[in-house]
Amino acid sequence: AQSVTQLGSHVSVSEGALVLLRCNYSSSVPPYLFWYVQYPNQGLQLLLKYTSAATLVKGINGFEAEFKKSETSFHLTKPSAHMSDAAEYFCAVTGGGGGGADGLTFGKGTHLIIQP
Amino acid sequence: NAGVTQTPKFQVLKTGQSMTLQCAQDMNHEYMSWYRQDPGMGLRLIHYSVGAGITDQGEVPNGYNVSRSTTEDFPLRLLSAAPSQTSVYFCASSVDATYEQYFGPGTRLTVT
Repeated sequence: AQSVTQLGSHVSVSEGALVLLRCNYSSSVPPYLFWYVQYPNQGLQLLLKYTSAATLVKGINGFEAEFKKSETSFHLTKPSAHMSDAAEYFCAVTGGGGGGADGLTFGKGTHLIIQP
Repeated sequence: NAGVTQTPKFQVLKTGQSMTLQCAQDMNHEYMSWYRQDPGMGLRLIHYSVGAGITDQGEVPNGYNVSRSTTEDFPLRLLSAAPSQTSVYFCASSVDATYEQYFGPGTRLTVT
């Protein structure tokens, strides 16, 4: 069974500082990995995805993530935080090309707080 | 394209009542799914469907039923609501289970 661990339920950074949100996964097959963002009272929006092409993935709003197989990690970064980045972020995994039909397994989420 | 739509946006039920949460997508996606979101729990899969006429259980299926009579629609039924079903429910669709899923805006359900 797949699982996703997001370290830190809340992360606080100053505006203009580096954003680093951590995600580790366990998967018995080569995974596909995703980061989603959820703004207050809204649905989930895809930030970026890894599907076994380039290990460094660029997404929307200046975010990027690097797939590191040896560390089973897919951490999300942004060089300079903006107030509009305040939201809940979810890491998710599927079984990739050989996976089953049961969709995404989500981490518990990280609430990103931006300090002015 | 409207994408994934869900109705209603908000609903309050009394314990024991039944209701159906509606979900529709206009992207001709074969895969559709229902998740519930609870504080500190992330999203958990309730039921999913890989195409019309085919459904299966996810991680937390108890107390919920689904059917998939068309590609576009995937309603979620609560047969006898319980306070433990108070949650935010999201419907999603995708080309298939391994690709990114597109989420609806959610339904906030309160059971008293």
